Amino acid sequence: DIQMTQSPSTLSASVGDRVTITCRASQSISSWLAWYQQKPGKAPKLLIYKASSLESGVPSRFSGSGSGTEFTLTISSLQPDDFATYYCQQYNSYFITFGQGTRLEIK
Amino acid sequence: QVTLKESGPVLVKPTETLTLTCTVSGFSLSNARMGVSWIRQPPGKALEWLAHIFSNDEKSYSTSLKSRLTISKDTSKSQVVLTMTNMDPVDTATYYCARLLPSVAVAGTGWFDPWGQGTLVTVSS
Repeated sequence: DIQMTQSPSTLSASVGDRVTITCRASQSISSWLAWYQQKPGKAPKLLIYKASSLESGVPSRFSGSGSGTEFTLTISSLQPDDFATYYCQQYNSYFITFGQGTRLEIK
Repeated sequence: QVTLKESGPVLVKPTETLTLTCTVSGFSLSNARMGVSWIRQPPGKALEWLAHIFSNDEKSYSTSLKSRLTISKDTSKSQVVLTMTNMDPVDTATYYCARLLPSVAVAGTGWFDPWGQGTLVTVSS
C-alpha cells in the first residue's frame, strides 16, 4: 500500500498566520490527493480534491498544490474556525490510504 | 441534500461479528460509478479506510483487514452493510460511512464527500 506521511504532526499558529502542511507519498500518486478538515467529535469535511481543486463552499484561504510525491495544504490567513486536524488521502491506488494527521492548534 | 447515517451496536464482545448499516439519502446506490465507503478512526488516532462498494457491485477491501470484512448493498433500501468478523478490543473506533466520488482517471477509487456522523463501537467483554 502507498504510505502517506504528513508533517508536522502538530502545528502551533496564531490567527492571521499563513500556514502550510506537507503530505508526502511513498510513491508517485500524480495529482490524486484529497485534503480533509476534522474538528473534535465531528466527521471529516472535504476541503480539496485532485491536489488543488477547492470543494464548493470551502473558503478561498484554503489552497492545495503539488504532484507526484509531495503536496501542500496552505491556509493563507488563519481564522479561529480553522483550528482542527487535517488529513491527506491518496486515491491513486485501489487501496486508499490516509496520512496520520496534522493538528493545528492555537499558539 | 446528500446525507449518510450509520447504525449498529454500541458495544460488541471480543470474537463477535460486527454488523453496521449505512443508510443514504439524496442519491441512489444505482447511480453510475457512485460508491459508498467505510472508514474507521480509533480514539485519538488517524483515519483508516476499510472498504467500498460501487453501483455496479464492484468491491474493494483494505489489504490488512480483507479476510474479516464483507461489504454489500441493498439498493431498494438505500443501505450499505459492513460486517467485520472476530472483533477485538483494538477494533474499538468510530466507524464512518462516506460517499465515494469516483476518480475519472483511476478506476475503483476516489475521494469522500460527504461523511456520515459516525458511530462509536466499543469492543469489550
